[in-house]
This record gives sequence, structure tokens and C-alpha cells, in this order.
Amino acid sequence: QKEVEQNSGPLSVPEGAIASLNCTYSDRGSQSFFWYRQYSGKSPELIMFIYSNGDKEDGRFTAQLNKASQYVSLLIRDSQPSDSATYLCAVGTGRRALTFGSGTRLQVQP
Amino acid sequence: DAGVIQSPRHEVTEMGQEVTLRCKPISGHDYLFWYRQTMMRGLELLIYFNNNVPIDDSGMPEDRFSAKMPNASFSTLKIQPSEPRDSAVYFCASSLTPGTSRRMADTQYFGPGTRLTVL
Repeated sequence: QKEVEQNSGPLSVPEGAIASLNCTYSDRGSQSFFWYRQYSGKSPELIMFIYSNGDKEDGRFTAQLNKASQYVSLLIRDSQPSDSATYLCAVGTGRRALTFGSGTRLQVQP
Repeated sequence: DAGVIQSPRHEVTEMGQEVTLRCKPISGHDYLFWYRQTMMRGLELLIYFNNNVPIDDSGMPEDRFSAKMPNASFSTLKIQPSEPRDSAVYFCASSLTPGTSRRMADTQYFGPGTRLTVL
């Protein structure tokens, strides 16, 4: 079993819709959770991080964490074609190193 | 700040040759990470340093791989001898030990990567 699992996609949504990306993790000691966006041929860039159960909103992005169920999700409202990228979920256990999922490819159709 | 700097951006070499990848972390960051990314295996952590000291190298695939951090502003990842299966994008990332702002403590900032092709 992979430590951090994501559906590889592609997840296809129409422009203006809500995109929902999900991630599950296996280590119950995980403390920090990150979403990175990676455009093709580019490096991962941080979108959001979350530490506590519940929702955290930043502009069009909302991260949701449920430690009891060991899942974290990312919602993108009013999806734009420029949001088309691979989204990487990363999990930290407090030892600084992060474990990354394999990523979900999002396609936003104009 | 210039961000994490990596060189070269692209490297094409022949099997058996030595390859050296370079990284300059963000100034003041005390953690440095080396990752490898391929389509098949995704983003894999190879090794990371804290204050120039290697903390965990369990991700280094073989003895052909070695990494050093002689000072706070420079690290190298060396492959000797290189093989075609080493072809990948190698990323360097850095982060900062929490001070007063724990919330950003684990955030890693990635360099642009080095695309390595071994023929």
C-alpha cells in the first residue's frame, strides 16, 4: 500500500465548475498536509497547507482535512483552463521530509 | 530572493559517465532535499540534509548515487557510473526550521529541476 494515494486522473471539469481532488494517507502520525501544483515541465509549487481538521480557504482554493478518516482534499472553485496541471498531495510527519502522492492530472475544458 | 537554483537545467550523457548535479538552496534555509521524478515512480525523496549533515539517505537507489553538502549554500548529487534507468528529472528543494512561524515549517520550495538523459 502506498503511503499517500491519489487518483491519477485525468479529472476533467468544465470551465467555471468546482474541481475536487482527493488524497488518502496511511500514517496516522501525519501532522502536516500540502497541496502542490505542477505544470508540465515545471517544478512543483505550493498552493496550500493545512494542519488542523476542517476547512481552510484561500481564494478559489479550499483544503479539507479529516484526520480520523485519513484523507485530505482540495476544492478549486470557478475552475479556469489555467488550473490545468497535476496536483500533488504531500504529507509530513514532523520530521521535515514529506511523502508525495503520485498526483492527479486536472484538465479544465474551456 | 532568487529561490532554489539548480544547474545544469538539462544534461545529456552516455552510459557509464559521471554526472554531477548542483543545487543552491534559498538563503537561510537549513534543510535541503534531493528528489527524483519519473512518470512511473512519481516524486521520490532520495536524501535530505539538515545544517549540511545528511539525515536520511534511505531513498538513494544504489551506491552509484552520492550526495554532499559542503556548506550551507551548496549541494551536489553525483551519479557514477550513470545508467539509462537514471534518466529522470532531479529536483532540489529547501525549507526552514520553524522559528516563530511553525505553520510554514514543513513547506518545501523547489528548484526548477535538472532533466537528465542517459543514453
